[in-house]
Order: sequence, then C-alpha cells, then structure tokens
Amino acid sequence: AQKITQTQPGMFVQEKEAVTLDCTYDTSDPSYGLFWYKQPSSGEMIFLIYQGSYDQQNATEGRYSLNFQKARKSANLVISASQLGDSAMYFCAMRENTNAGKSTFGDGTTLTVKP
Amino acid sequence: DAGVIQSPRHEVTEMGQEVTLRCKPISGHNSLFWYRQTMMRGLELLIYFNNNVPIDDSGMPEDRFSAKMPNASFSTLKIQPSEPRDSAVYFCASSGQLTGAEAFFGQGTRLTVV
Repeated sequence: AQKITQTQPGMFVQEKEAVTLDCTYDTSDPSYGLFWYKQPSSGEMIFLIYQGSYDQQNATEGRYSLNFQKARKSANLVISASQLGDSAMYFCAMRENTNAGKSTFGDGTTLTVKP
Repeated sequence: DAGVIQSPRHEVTEMGQEVTLRCKPISGHNSLFWYRQTMMRGLELLIYFNNNVPIDDSGMPEDRFSAKMPNASFSTLKIQPSEPRDSAVYFCASSGQLTGAEAFFGQGTRLTVV
C-alpha cells in the first residue's frame, strides 16, 4: 500500500501567490516524522521542513509552512509569496520511528511558478 | 560543512561491468541512506545504515547490488554485473538521528549503463 500519496502530479501558481501541495500518509506507527524536500531541475534534493507526529504546532520555515492534520493523516506544504525559483519538484516523505527509521517518499509534485 | 559527498557525479559503463558508487556522509551523522531515483519508480530507498550497521536492505533490487559501510565516514554501493535497467540517479543521504532528523542528500550519481 502506498504510504505517502501526493495526488497532484503538477501544479501552477502565479508569482507572489500562495500555493498548497498536498500530501497524505498512512501509518500505524504512533511516532513518525514528516518531511518535505525540493528538487530543482539541477537534481539536488533540498530539505525544506520537518514535522514530528507529536508536535503540537505546525512547522514553519520562512515562506514554508506545513499544515499538519493528524486525524486526517495529511501534511500539506504551503508556500507563501511564490517566487520563480520555487519552480521544482516537491517530495513529501515519512519516517516511521518504530520501523527502525525506514523512510518513504511520495511520487512528487511538479510546481511551476508563472511570472 | 561540505555536506554529503558522492562520487563520481556521472558514470557511464557497459553492461556487465562492475560499478562502485561512493559516499562520504556529513561528519557526526550516524545514519546513512542509499536511494535510487528513476522516472518510472520515483525515489526508492535501497538500504540504510545506523552506526555503520545495515538496518534494512529490503529495498535492494537483487543480489547484483551490495552496499558496505566500513566506517563512519565512508560507504559504497556496488553493482556487479551492471545492466541497462540499473540506469538511474543514485543518492546518498545522511542524518544525525535514525528517526526524526532530516536527511541531507548528496548531489547524486547519474549512472548510465549501455
């Protein structure tokens, strides 16, 4: 079964607008971590933001915030004030703490920021 | 900090040849991960180590693939013999904790088997 689901293969957003990239996950582990990575066309994987399953508040890192809804098992990434440099592939990932730290990535969402 | 260092960045080899990919994790990190990325299969976890010990190699596609971590600062992923379907980008990543902390990725090795 797919443990990380990103339902949006591609997304478009106007420069300076906000955009939400969806991610749902499936786990029976009560302790886990959720991550978002950015992969620009150059190919490197850049860590963006982390949310722990026991964190009470949604994580934020600059223009990135994670909308964590534990009951719904969703961990959507919100990018505010989009910039042209935000155009990239975005991956949601989960690491299950009691599964010896095994991590799983979603299929990714390609974000294109339009000028 | 130099980050995770992978070598080579690009490798082109003929089918049947042995290929060795190398990784130097971030100093002080005790978890190391090998991933493979292809268009068809996305990003797959092949194997990961904690404190130089392989924890889970269930993602290794077949016996042609092997990985070692002889010490805390070096790991190799070997394919012998290589096949065209092994063509992919191979990433190494390290993290400071087995769980919780983010993994930092190397630049990747683009492998082409002809």
